[in-house]
Amino acid sequence: GENVEQHPSTLSVQEGDSAVIKCTYSDSASNYFPWYKQELGKRPQLIIDIRSNVGEKKDQRIAVTLNKTAKHFSLHITETQPEDSAVYFCAAKGSGSARQLTFGSGTQLTVLP
Amino acid sequence: DAGVIQSPRHEVTEMGQEVTLRCKPISGHDYLFWYRQTMMRGLELLIYFNNNVPIDDSGMPEDRFSAKMPNASFSTLKIQPSEPRDSAVYFCASSFGGSSQPQHFGDGTRLSIL
Repeated sequence: GENVEQHPSTLSVQEGDSAVIKCTYSDSASNYFPWYKQELGKRPQLIIDIRSNVGEKKDQRIAVTLNKTAKHFSLHITETQPEDSAVYFCAAKGSGSARQLTFGSGTQLTVLP
Repeated sequence: DAGVIQSPRHEVTEMGQEVTLRCKPISGHDYLFWYRQTMMRGLELLIYFNNNVPIDDSGMPEDRFSAKMPNASFSTLKIQPSEPRDSAVYFCASSFGGSSQPQHFGDGTRLSIL
């Protein structure tokens, strides 16, 4: 089945700096890659997603890039703010018998004021 | 839109008791997913339904776990008998069109088995 690895597990940045979180996946036929933000004690919320026919997608301060050849995708947050502090999860939708989302292990992002 | 509604929000019970978690998906969504979240194992898919039919339950850890979806607006996840290692946050999520579409999560049920 699909295997998703996420790095780093923790990330601290100064307010205003950029943050980058990276994920790799194993199933070359995977075609959907969402990113979720989970604040402490709350539900995961979708913040951005990308499909395999697109290399990059942006939404204000958030962007995701996808490299299908290398089987990795990344989340970029620019001009970070304290409210960006949360756990971020990447996920990949596999193919065949693994056609559901497999989540990465999460990255605890802390934005220092 | 009320979003995905789960109940109860918290459940504390003793080992061996039956536990029932409930979920109401977003109206019109045809897929419903049950996940379990723990520090050790992260976010794991337990089972998912399409149009009320269970499609893949390979993530259900043991026969003590069962899930039903009697209609498009209600699903249950039952654990009987419960064990301390079942302690986790259980999330329900729904989507329209499957896993290639955004999944909307409920607030979760924090389950503690003593």
